[in-house]
This record gives sequence, structure tokens and C-alpha cells, in this order.
Amino acid sequence: GAVVSQHPSRVICKSGTSVKIECRSLDFQATTMFWYRQFPKQSLMLMATSNEGSKATYEQGVEKDKFLINHASLTLSTLTVTSAHPEDSSFYICSATDTIGSPLHFGNGTRLTVT
Amino acid sequence: DAKTTQPPSMDCAEGRAANLPCNHSTISGNEYVYWYRQIHSQGPQYIIHGLKNNETNEMASLIITEDRKSSTLILPHATLRDTAVYYCIVRVGAGNQFYFGTGTSLTVIP
Repeated sequence: GAVVSQHPSRVICKSGTSVKIECRSLDFQATTMFWYRQFPKQSLMLMATSNEGSKATYEQGVEKDKFLINHASLTLSTLTVTSAHPEDSSFYICSATDTIGSPLHFGNGTRLTVT
Repeated sequence: DAKTTQPPSMDCAEGRAANLPCNHSTISGNEYVYWYRQIHSQGPQYIIHGLKNNETNEMASLIITEDRKSSTLILPHATLRDTAVYYCIVRVGAGNQFYFGTGTSLTVIP
């Protein structure tokens, strides 16, 4: 149980375009979802916390207008990287939980390359 | 910010126990310790978590000191597939956010 599916696993886009990444909880209702970013040889960095039906809370230094997060249902959250630039190339990972205090379950990540 | 510190790397012989330490000296009384691991280019995998009692599951054992300021993850019989980066995490606040530290890169040697 507790499977989180992330799509796509890999995407290449041109500079200036937007990319949408989906995160789905397959067998539980995710009241809270989290988005992380990971650069090569570095740890995961929390970008934002999203609760179903409300606006996401962004970590300091993360541009909310650039990284649009939508959590419209209890099983789906999306991250849209708007006007992508090469420096946005990274590994984006979502995670979800059904209750506060429960372990987070992670998707397998999306490798974004902006050319 | 992460509330944990871990050694950056460790080696372990295949078949032997791998003991991964973690310091969390500022942990609060109701905060759990979680362990995850990440194999290259995959999402983190949940291993185990605990509050103050030692815990064991099919993957590992978690030993938490009595003062809760440190813990050790034990992989009883390490295999080559256990080579990964292991993260010790203390959940921060009521928002359930998990902040990752730098983790320990474990290499299991044949």
C-alpha cells in the first residue's frame, strides 16, 4: 500500500516553456503533499507544502509564481514550472501523507532538463 | 532546516551489520525520528520510524538512546542492494514537513 505515482519520469523542454508534473496517491487519500527538488550530489530540498483545497505554502527562497502548485483533489497534486530556464533543470520529487505524523511516501521523481 | 547530523559516508562488508548513526540533540519530546534511503535517481524509500522505544521491522532496526538525542539504524545483514544514501529525519513542527539533511552514503562492499 501507500503508493505515490509521479509522471512524467523524465522530461526535456526548451527554455521559456512550461512543464507540468503530476503526483498521484494511488491507494490512499493525501491530505498533504510536498514537493522537493534535488540537484546532483545534493540532498532533497523542500520547495512547498500543499494541502488539498488550499493554497500551497512555499519555503523561503522558492518563487511561488514560477513553481505553481495545485492540489485540487485528495489524490492529485501538480507542479508547473513556468518559463523554465536551464537552471531549473533538476530532479523533482513529490511526497504524500494521509495523516499528520504518518511517514511520507515518495514518488520516483521527475528528471527535468531545460535546454 | 534539518535537525539531524550524520556522517557523510560509511562502508560495510556484505553480510555484516551496517550501523548508521544520527545525532538529533534538539529533538522535542513529541517528535519522531524517521529513516529513509535513496538509491540513485529514485525517490526516497521509507525504512522505519520511532519515538523513544526501539523498533524493528523486516528491513531494519532502530535504536534510540534514552535521552533521544541520537539514534542508530541497523541493517542486520547488509547486501549490495543496500548501497544507498540514508537519511535520518526529525519531523519539524505541526505541519508534518520533513527536512532532509545531507545523509550518509553507505557503500556495501562485496
